Amino acid sequence: KNEVEQSPQNLTAQEGEFITINCSYSVGISALHWLQQHPGGGIVSLFMLSSGKKKHGRLIATINIQEKHSSLHITASHPRDSAVYICAVNQAGTALIFGKGTTLSVSS
Amino acid sequence: EPEVTQTPSHQVTQMGQEVILRCVPISNHLYFYWYRQILGQKVEFLVSFYNNEISEKSEIFDDQFSVERPDGSNFTLKIRSTKLEDSAMYFCASKQQANTEAFFGQGTRLTVV
Repeated sequence: KNEVEQSPQNLTAQEGEFITINCSYSVGISALHWLQQHPGGGIVSLFMLSSGKKKHGRLIATINIQEKHSSLHITASHPRDSAVYICAVNQAGTALIFGKGTTLSVSS
Repeated sequence: EPEVTQTPSHQVTQMGQEVILRCVPISNHLYFYWYRQILGQKVEFLVSFYNNEISEKSEIFDDQFSVERPDGSNFTLKIRSTKLEDSAMYFCASKQQANTEAFFGQGTRLTVV
């Protein structure tokens, strides 16, 4: 069974800071997902990666398949980025295996 | 933009009662999922559904649980004989294909009292 570990567990930043959240997994995967969960509970997909790097606005996600590691970067962070960021992986099946999430708080 | 919708948003039920959580996946999606998140814990996979049958299920998804796609649009999760520990947020998700991104509903918060 795949173990998905995220770090840090909690992250506090000032508006404008560059933020990095890390994810590592123990077993080979077919894809890795970064998700955002807001205080109301809803989950939104940010990225799905199987190799390399993807960028969407101020968000960048990278993955290193050999090292079983992915990072999510937020440039020029803003208070509205405050949320829980979750790493999840597809292993053999189509279901997702989730990490515990990183709680990000950005203050102005 | 198409979205996954879940009803109700919050359900309170007495221990031992049966509940049905409802989901309408995105219309051209083929893969459907139920996940749950106990307060303060990570999201856990319950079951996946494809081609009108269960394709995967976790050890959590025992005989207390069942899923149905009764009419080609709704996707339901039935929990029989609810227990206090079934209290959680239940998320429905759907995918167009096996290797595409997942779209999640807003969740149903189930409280068993």
